[in-house]
Amino acid sequence: SQTIHQWPATLVQPVGSPLSLECTVEGTSNPNLYWYRQAAGRGLQLLFYSVGIGQISSEVPQNLSASRPQDRQFILSSKKLLLSDSGFYLCAWSVLGRQTYSGNTIYFGEGSWLTVV
Amino acid sequence: QQQVKQSPQSLIVQKGGIPIINCAYENTAFDYFPWYQQFPGKGPALLIAIRPDVSEKKEGRFTISFNKSAKQFSLHIMDSQPGDSATYFCAARWAGRRQLTFGSGTQLTVLP
Repeated sequence: SQTIHQWPATLVQPVGSPLSLECTVEGTSNPNLYWYRQAAGRGLQLLFYSVGIGQISSEVPQNLSASRPQDRQFILSSKKLLLSDSGFYLCAWSVLGRQTYSGNTIYFGEGSWLTVV
Repeated sequence: QQQVKQSPQSLIVQKGGIPIINCAYENTAFDYFPWYQQFPGKGPALLIAIRPDVSEKKEGRFTISFNKSAKQFSLHIMDSQPGDSATYFCAARWAGRRQLTFGSGTQLTVLP
């Protein structure tokens, strides 16, 4: 079965410090990978998605970046955090290329709470 | 631009009640409409999903009603239980794309 791991689970970082959140997927190959952000009491905002190694699409301009160094690894980074970067960050995956009904499903990790102070 | 509008923002019902959460969309190119359930501190999990060629889908106590002409869809929870208390998100996928566009979420509280 497929599993998704995301870490760290919680993070408190000062303004201006760097960020690295990591996500790995097991049990599948060539997944689509996503980073979403959920601000407190708000919906899910897509930040980045990737269809393959080194292929990153950005949905929202910001001081965050994403990288996919390996097939099942997705990293969210920032060189200098802002207070507005605080939130709940979710990594997710779906089956690549599948247009069937079940292939549309996006599976989320447990999330990472980031507080910028 | 909010492509999927969800209401209400919060909802409180008694145990056994039938909460209804509504979503509306504008983009007729959406071809897949899932609902996700999220418990506090956890990632969202797929609850039930529907395609626009179906008007209703039921899985256990959860039912999606879909009105293509009105561009609306809703989630009904029959015989709601306190364990159903969670945040519910509707979503939609643009045909040919991979990512989902989410509604703003509804925080449901089912009182014992």
